[in-house]
Amino acid sequence: NAGVMQNPRHLVRRRGQEARLRCSPMKGHSHVYWYRQLPEEGLKFMVYLQKENIIDESGMPKERFSAEFPKEGPSILRIQQVVRGDSAAYFCASSPPRGRTEQFFGPGTRLTVL
Amino acid sequence: AQRVTQPEKLLSVFKGAPVELKCNYSYSGSPELFWYVQYSRQRLQLLLRHISRESIKGFTADLNKGETSFHLKKPFAQEEDSAMYYCALYRDFGNEKLTFGTGTRLTIIP
Repeated sequence: NAGVMQNPRHLVRRRGQEARLRCSPMKGHSHVYWYRQLPEEGLKFMVYLQKENIIDESGMPKERFSAEFPKEGPSILRIQQVVRGDSAAYFCASSPPRGRTEQFFGPGTRLTVL
Repeated sequence: AQRVTQPEKLLSVFKGAPVELKCNYSYSGSPELFWYVQYSRQRLQLLLRHISRESIKGFTADLNKGETSFHLKKPFAQEEDSAMYYCALYRDFGNEKLTFGTGTRLTIIP
C-alpha cells in the first residue's frame, strides 16, 4: 500500500493563475480531508469529502477555492486566480469508512505564488 | 468552537533528559485527542491517541479532563526524537475534522 499520494509536491504559480492539487487516498479509503498550513501556523481544516460528496466545507474560503472527489480518480483541490496569500503547504489525509478517527497523511503540496 | 493550544513553538532538551510537550484544549464535549509527529523530510504520522492508552517509542500522554490537557511525555529523550510534534483534537458525533495545534519543534541536544 503506497500510502496517500499527493502531486505535485511543489507548485509555482503567478498571481491570477489556477492551481490544481491532487490527492490519491490509500487503497480502500473513501474519506478525504484537505488541510492548509500557512507559514508559522498549524494545520487548518479546509474540507472533508467522500466519493462524489462534499461532507463538510466549513474551512474553505468562500471564493476561488473548490474541491471534488469524483467516483473515479483522485481528489482535486482547485484554487482559481491565486494570490500571494495562498502560498502554503496543502496536506491531504484519508481514512477508511470504519475507524474514521485515524487519518493518514500525504506528503503535502507546497504552493508558491509569485 | 474547539481549540488546541501548544504554548511552546521550540523546545530543546538534552539527550537522556525527560521531555514534556504541552497541549491544552478547549471543547465542552468528549473529545478524542491525538499526537502526530513529523520527522525531517517525512510525512505527518500518528504517534498516539488517548483512547488507546499505549506507549509508542517511549512516549505517553494522559488526558486530564479537569485541566483540559494532553501533555506528551518521555522519561529519557533520544536523538531520534527530534521532530515536529502536533497535538490534535477530534470531535465526537460526526464532525470528522481534526483541529491541530500550531506544533512544537523538539530538538534533542546530543
